[in-house]
Amino acid sequence: AQKVTQAQTEISVVEKEDVTLDCVYETRDTTYYLFWYKQPPSGELVFLIRRNSFDEQNEISGRYSWNFQKSTSSFNFTITASQVVDSAVYFCALSGGGGADGLTFGKGTHLIIQP
Amino acid sequence: DAGVIQSPRHEVTEMGQEVTLRCKPISGHNSLFWYRQTMMRGLELLIYFNNNVPIDDSGMPEDRFSAKMPNASFSTLKIQPSEPRDSAVYFCASSTGRPSTDTQYFGPGTRLTVL
Repeated sequence: AQKVTQAQTEISVVEKEDVTLDCVYETRDTTYYLFWYKQPPSGELVFLIRRNSFDEQNEISGRYSWNFQKSTSSFNFTITASQVVDSAVYFCALSGGGGADGLTFGKGTHLIIQP
Repeated sequence: DAGVIQSPRHEVTEMGQEVTLRCKPISGHNSLFWYRQTMMRGLELLIYFNNNVPIDDSGMPEDRFSAKMPNASFSTLKIQPSEPRDSAVYFCASSTGRPSTDTQYFGPGTRLTVL
């Protein structure tokens, strides 16, 4: 069975601070895919990034960056110079592991950026 | 391009009534997923289709739930009879290519309240 753990239920920081959201996953497969989604207060789920298990290069997109480490089964997400608009619930998800084709989501981290 | 379209956006019904949720996937996508989001259980996969064929319905909670995909551009999720514990946000998502590897794009969700 596959599992995604986001241990941080809620994080609150002041605007312009950097913040890292943790994600730890479990799977027995060697080929799998990891994702991050954002759920703003309006409720939709917005895709942020997809990473396959063979690509451990870190990725940067503007203020967002992701650190994938297979050795620790982690796929952490960092927001640099946070802004109020970054306030949302962020979900880490896993697919392709254990023969399952749907996404297995973590419980999410509620990020609050205070002005 | 239009994203995944879901209707209705909000549904309030009374226990015992039939509820039908609708989804139109992104044109050209051949995989469609139904998820449910609750506070207690988070985001969980209910069922998914590939090329209009149901592949895995192991997440469907019970026989009161059924899903169909009569063609590539339309899917329904039906609950009959509905119960208060079915209250949740139901998301539809679609992807192109293999269900286990490609990015799933989500619709805005249907917020269901069963009184």
